[in-house]
Parts: sequence; C-alpha cells; structure tokens
Amino acid sequence: KQEVTQIPAALSVPEGENLVLNCSFTDSAIYNLQWFRQDPGKGLTSLLLIQSSQREQTSGRLNASLDKSSGRSTLYIAASQPGDSATYLCAVTPSGGSYIPTFGRGTSLIVHP
Amino acid sequence: DGGITQSPKYLFRKEGQNVTLSCEQNLNHDAMYWYRQDPGQGLRLIYYSQIVNDFQKGDIAEGYSVSREKKESFPLTVTSAQKNPTAFYLCASSIDSGGGYTFGSGTRLTVV
Repeated sequence: KQEVTQIPAALSVPEGENLVLNCSFTDSAIYNLQWFRQDPGKGLTSLLLIQSSQREQTSGRLNASLDKSSGRSTLYIAASQPGDSATYLCAVTPSGGSYIPTFGRGTSLIVHP
Repeated sequence: DGGITQSPKYLFRKEGQNVTLSCEQNLNHDAMYWYRQDPGQGLRLIYYSQIVNDFQKGDIAEGYSVSREKKESFPLTVTSAQKNPTAFYLCASSIDSGGGYTFGSGTRLTVV
C-alpha cells in the first residue's frame, strides 16, 4: 500500500526566504503527482500536476520536481511572501488499478513579515 | 467559469437525522469523489464514481450513501448510521481516472 509522507509537518519562516517542501512515497509505480494548497476552512487548490514521465513543472514562483526512482517530490517556493501561508499537500496517483491517489498530511507553512 | 460547487457551506444536523450534501461540476469531468477531512487525520476517501450510474466505496463508506444519476452531480447523504459525522467534507472531480483533481470549497457539517 502506498504511503505518502510530508516533511516537515510545520514550517515558519521570514518573508523572502526560498523554501523546499518535501513529499516522499513508498511505491514508485505512479501515474502522476499533484501539489495542492489549502487555506484554513477552504477547499484544496491545485498548484502543479507532474505526470510520471516528467521531471518537473513550474508555475510562477513555484517549481515542483519528481524523482520516481527515489520516491521523492519537492516543491520549491521562491521568495516567499505572507500570502503563501497555507497548508501544502501532495497527492500520489498510482499507475493502474483504480487510479485513486494517496494524500500526504501536508506541511503547514507560515511566512511572517 | 468552470468549477465545482458544494452547498451548503455550513450544515447542522440533529441526532438521528439524514442530511444531503450537494456537489455539482460543470467541467465535463467523468470522475467524482467525496472526502472527509478531520484535524490531524488527513483526507479520507468516502465514495467515488468514475462513470454515471456507477460508484465505489472508499475507505470509510459506512454511514454514507451516494448517487450518480447525472454526470454533473454527485450528492452525498450522511445517514443516522454515521455516529461521528462532524467534519469538513470535500468533493473533487477529475477528467478521468488518473487525471488531476479539482476540489470544491467544502461543506462543514456539525452535529447539534
């Protein structure tokens, strides 16, 4: 059974820092990996979707990489801002079967001015 | 704009009552999903449907029921058999099995 771990569970940084959030998974037979952002009391907003054949995806200040062989994905946030404060979750979709993703528990990020 | 609409945003249920949470999407997605989110528990899958008129149980289906009569709609009923229904409920859809997820804004259900 796929297990998805996100480290650290919580992170507090000053504004302007470059950040790396980690997502580890135990089964490398994946179809895709998706990063989300969740603000308190809100739904999940998709940030980046990486297909299994891709190595990375970029959107603005966000860059996500995927290394299937080592079972890792990283979300890089450049020049963090207070508005980046949220919980970041990764979801790993297996290749084959029902294609139901396994979600990590998230990293809670606070960026203070 | 295309998206997923969940209603109501807040819902209060009395003991022994059934309540239905609405989820509608206009993305023309085939697959739809219901998740429950509790503090410290992460997201748990309740039910999912990959095609109209068909749905499958997730990890915590007991005390819940769904229907998928239309592609756009996937309502979730929380029955009186669900003993601890207080939670945040999230609906999601994907273009097909394995496609990236789009989530709704959630319904917070509280037992009073």
